[in-house]
Amino acid sequence: EDKVVQSPLSLVVHEGDTVTLNCSYEVTNFRSLLWYKQEKKAPTFLFMLTSSGIEKKSGRLSSILDKKELSSILNITATQTGDSAIYLCAVDPSNTGKLIFGQGTTLQVKP
Amino acid sequence: KAGVTQTPRYLIKTRGQQVTLSCSPISGHRSVSWYQQTPGQGLQFLFEYFSETQRNKGNFPGRFSGRQFSNSRSEMNVSTLELGDSALYLCASSTLRGELFFGEGSRLTVL
Repeated sequence: EDKVVQSPLSLVVHEGDTVTLNCSYEVTNFRSLLWYKQEKKAPTFLFMLTSSGIEKKSGRLSSILDKKELSSILNITATQTGDSAIYLCAVDPSNTGKLIFGQGTTLQVKP
Repeated sequence: KAGVTQTPRYLIKTRGQQVTLSCSPISGHRSVSWYQQTPGQGLQFLFEYFSETQRNKGNFPGRFSGRQFSNSRSEMNVSTLELGDSALYLCASSTLRGELFFGEGSRLTVL
């Protein structure tokens, strides 16, 4: 059965710290891996990584896909309280809208 | 560009009733997918429509159904509601590349 596993499940840091969130997957087919940020509402799209785009960066956030290790990391540098959220990783096996989500990592950034 | 719009945002129903949720995708997006989010199960895929055709379906009972109209708007219906159907129902529209963008969700409470 296809599955996506995220670690850690929760994390507490202080403002200014750098955090690394992990996502590993076991799927029959792999097309892309997506990262989302969810606060008290809908998930917000962060990045999509594919075989042809294994590294993405936007401001303080960056992500890398390791196809050999079947995993991805999401880095957040110089964390701020506004980064507090649940970070979701999902794998798309077929580009038919069916994402397989991990459990999420709950990040709390303290002032 | 307007985002994904879902209505209603909140609703309360009683067991045995049925409910219809509506989703308007981002302009130009032809794929709409639906997810159920609960604290215990996380985000689970319900189904996906592209150009009015269901392309993919998750592992939910037949009480869950959906459709898509020629303008790409989509509806999902849940009949004979059960307590366990209480959840946040998320709609997402996607680009041809497979980037999914979520709406704010419809929070359903079944009493």
